[in-house]
Amino acid sequence: DVKVTQSSRYLVKRTGEKVFLECVQDMDHENMFWYRQDPGLGLRLIYFSYDVKMKEKGDIPEGYSVSREKKERFSLILESASTNQTSMYLCASSLGTSGTLEQYFGPGTRLTVT
Amino acid sequence: AQKITQTQPGMFVQEKEAVTLDCTYDTSDPSYGLFWYKQPSSGEMIFLIYQGSYDQQNATEGRYSLNFQKARKSANLVISASQLGDSAMYFCALEAAGNKLTFGGGTRVLVKP
Repeated sequence: DVKVTQSSRYLVKRTGEKVFLECVQDMDHENMFWYRQDPGLGLRLIYFSYDVKMKEKGDIPEGYSVSREKKERFSLILESASTNQTSMYLCASSLGTSGTLEQYFGPGTRLTVT
Repeated sequence: AQKITQTQPGMFVQEKEAVTLDCTYDTSDPSYGLFWYKQPSSGEMIFLIYQGSYDQQNATEGRYSLNFQKARKSANLVISASQLGDSAMYFCALEAAGNKLTFGGGTRVLVKP
């Protein structure tokens, strides 16, 4: 079974703190994604990566950055956390080949910024 | 730009009955895909079914089927014989090139015994 793990299920941080959310997948997937989920808005893509050292902006990258130093690990960084970044963060991965590229999701990290 | 709309924020369904979840989309890409995911209260996203824009037949996976009407730009999910375990949030997602997904706002389904 594909497994995508995230470093924390719940996280509470203060405004202005630097926050790291870690995601690891164990299926040698090429593609990795970070989403945030807010009620009524569904999931919105923050950043994604198709390869090591590679990153692309998604639909809402402002206030975030990412790092992919190893194929299996994709980190989301909040440089200076703000209250409007309180949300559920979901990481996903998928194979980099053609066909039905189902994304496999981690359990999510619920981040609260106070 | 990709756009996807789920107009039903929530709905009740009687156990053992069928339910249809609406999803409409808009894209200028000639090739795209539609995904449906289920999110139970535990939070994990579970892949249910996929339909490619060039697939001739509607996709089916067990009790899930996708009513794909390309001309109307709709990809409704049908769950047959609802079970209590089907109570969850359901998300429709439109896939663009590069496996980028745009999600709808979701529909919460509550199955009544």
